[in-house]
Amino acid sequence: EVRLVESGGGLVQPGGSLRLSCVGSGFTFSNYWMCWLRLTPGKGLEWVANINTDASETSYLDSVKGRFSIFRDNTENSLYLQMDSLRAEDTALYFCARDPYIKAFQDWGQGTLVTVSS
Amino acid sequence: IVLTQSPGTLSLSPGERATLSCRASQTVTSNFLAWYQLKAGQAPRLLIYGASSRATGTPDRFSGSGSGTDFTLTISRLEPEDFAVYYCQQFGSSPPYSFGGGTKVEI
Repeated sequence: EVRLVESGGGLVQPGGSLRLSCVGSGFTFSNYWMCWLRLTPGKGLEWVANINTDASETSYLDSVKGRFSIFRDNTENSLYLQMDSLRAEDTALYFCARDPYIKAFQDWGQGTLVTVSS
Repeated sequence: IVLTQSPGTLSLSPGERATLSCRASQTVTSNFLAWYQLKAGQAPRLLIYGASSRATGTPDRFSGSGSGTDFTLTISRLEPEDFAVYYCQQFGSSPPYSFGGGTKVEI
């Protein structure tokens, strides 16, 4: 069974930093592109970033470019999202997800909540 | 690509048919259009990918259709567990992989 478990969310002040983690199991982690998405009451679901299998290629939503960094450790079956210079509008439930080469996000974690507020 | 979903809210009764629309601002590459169901406190659930292929475990009352810029998710007979928010999402040749604004199906 494919399982994705996120952690690392919390309350942070504007301008602060957080690092989210996602551990995958039940599949060969190193064979799959991985991504981060988020859910907000105002904007709904939003793709944030993705990373290819060997971490040589990454892509970001324009509004997080230069502030967020996605990376992975295939030896630990782990995906990360380093979030710096956080803004109130980054407040969201963050999910990691996997596309098993069907051009859709089939497998999702339960999410970790990030709240940016003073 | 901007995805526009309509209607914003659909008020129906169990047993009725639901038709949800997703319109893209430009052609969706290879019809890489997916539909997700979202319920409070749960992770999004993939229902349909490639515009019309059911994901594993998706009941056959859910069907996807369309191509190019116009796509539809149809729920043939609403079950109580189908009342939720539905999102479409395009997986084009390059990011960002945008989502629509969602359609809430309510009783």
